[in-house]
Amino acid sequence: QKEVEQNSGPLSVPEGAIASLNCTYSDRGSQSFFWYRQYSGKSPELIMSIYSNGDKEDGRFTAQLNKASQYVSLLIRDSQPSDSATYLCAVLGNAGNMLTFGGGTRLMVKP
Amino acid sequence: GAGVSQTPSNKVTEKGKYVELRCDPISGHTALYWYRQSLGQGPEFLIYFQGTGAADDSGLPNDRFFAVRPEGSVSTLKIQRTERGDSAVYLCASSLTLGGGYNEQFFGPGTRLTVL
Repeated sequence: QKEVEQNSGPLSVPEGAIASLNCTYSDRGSQSFFWYRQYSGKSPELIMSIYSNGDKEDGRFTAQLNKASQYVSLLIRDSQPSDSATYLCAVLGNAGNMLTFGGGTRLMVKP
Repeated sequence: GAGVSQTPSNKVTEKGKYVELRCDPISGHTALYWYRQSLGQGPEFLIYFQGTGAADDSGLPNDRFFAVRPEGSVSTLKIQRTERGDSAVYLCASSLTLGGGYNEQFFGPGTRLTVL
């Protein structure tokens, strides 16, 4: 069983819609959670971090964390074609300082 | 300010050769990480440094891989006797602090290694 799971997609949404990206993790001791955006041929870019249960909003992005359910999500409001990318969920475990990544969800925003 | 830089951006080598990949972290970042990303997958952890010492090298796949950070800044990942399976994008990241949970890691552009 992979430690961090994401639906590979592609997730296709129309421009202006809300895109919802989900991630589950297996290590209950995980303490920090991150979303990275990765455009094709580029390296991951940090877009959100969340450390406690609840919602965290930054512009059009909202990260949601539920440690009891071992679930973290990313909502993108008013999706734009420029949001089309692969979104990587990353978890910082209790055992160390390395990030464990999911396989990523490919998001396609259609004009 | 300047982000994480990595050189070369692309490296093509032949099976059995030795390669070195370089990473220059964000100024002031004490922690440095190496990851490897294969096509269609998320990055996988290789090793991280706090200062000059390797704090955790549990992700290195075998003893052909080695990394150093002699002065606590620039790091070099070294791969001996390269194999075709080593082909991947090698990513370097750095963070301001190590531990404590508040560990935002920022990635460089990566080195694409191709072993023929």
